[in-house]
Amino acid sequence: DVKVTQSSRYLVKRTGEKVFLECVQDMDHENMFWYRQDPGLGLRLIYFSYDVKMKEKGDIPEGYSVSREKKERFSLILESASTNQTSMYLCASSLRQGVSPLHFGNGTRLTVT
Amino acid sequence: GQQVMQIPQYQHVQEGEDFTTYCNSSTTLSNIQWYKQRPGGHPVFLIQLVKSGEVKKQKRLTFQFGEAKKNSSLHITATQTTDVGTYFCYEKLTFGTGTRLTIIP
Repeated sequence: DVKVTQSSRYLVKRTGEKVFLECVQDMDHENMFWYRQDPGLGLRLIYFSYDVKMKEKGDIPEGYSVSREKKERFSLILESASTNQTSMYLCASSLRQGVSPLHFGNGTRLTVT
Repeated sequence: GQQVMQIPQYQHVQEGEDFTTYCNSSTTLSNIQWYKQRPGGHPVFLIQLVKSGEVKKQKRLTFQFGEAKKNSSLHITATQTTDVGTYFCYEKLTFGTGTRLTIIP
C-alpha cells in the first residue's frame, strides 16, 4: 500500500517566518504534488514535480517554492509566511501523471498568526 | 487553467435516498477520476473512467462518463451514513469544486 507521509499534522507559525512542509512517499512514484484546500475554494494546485529536481507551477504558486532533491521527498517552502497562507496543505503522489490515482498524505493544517 | 464544475455544491438527503453529483467541463476530458473525502480526512481515490460512455459500478456507487467525454456523474443508491463526505471529480491536475453530501439518519 502506498504511504504518503507529511511531517506535521498541525503547525502554527508567525507572519514573516520561513516555513518548510515536508512530504515523503514510499512507492517510488515519479510525480508529486502540493495542493491547498480552503472552504469554498476546493483543492488548488500549488506546485507539482514529475521528476527529481524538476518542478512546475500550478494554479497558485505565488508565495511558495518547492524542492525535490530526492525522488521520495517533495518539500513546500513558504519563504515569508503570511496570514492568507493559513490553510490545509495536502501532498500527493502518483505513478504516472494523468492516468494513475493520486495518493494523499493526511495533510498539514498550517496557521499563520 | 481548465475549469471543472460540479453540481450541486451541497446535498442533504435522508438515509436511504439516492444521491447524484455531476461534473461538467467545457473541454473534452481525456479521462476522469473520482475521489471521496471524509470529514477531517484526505481525498481517497474511488475510480477512473477512460472511455466515452463508460459506466462502472462499485456496490451502490455508479459512475458514468458522457458520450462526448465532457461530463461525468456519480450516483449512490440508497445512501448510508458511511457515504457522508465530499465527492470530487479530477482530471489533469484539476479538481472539480466538489459536492458535499450530508445524511439525515
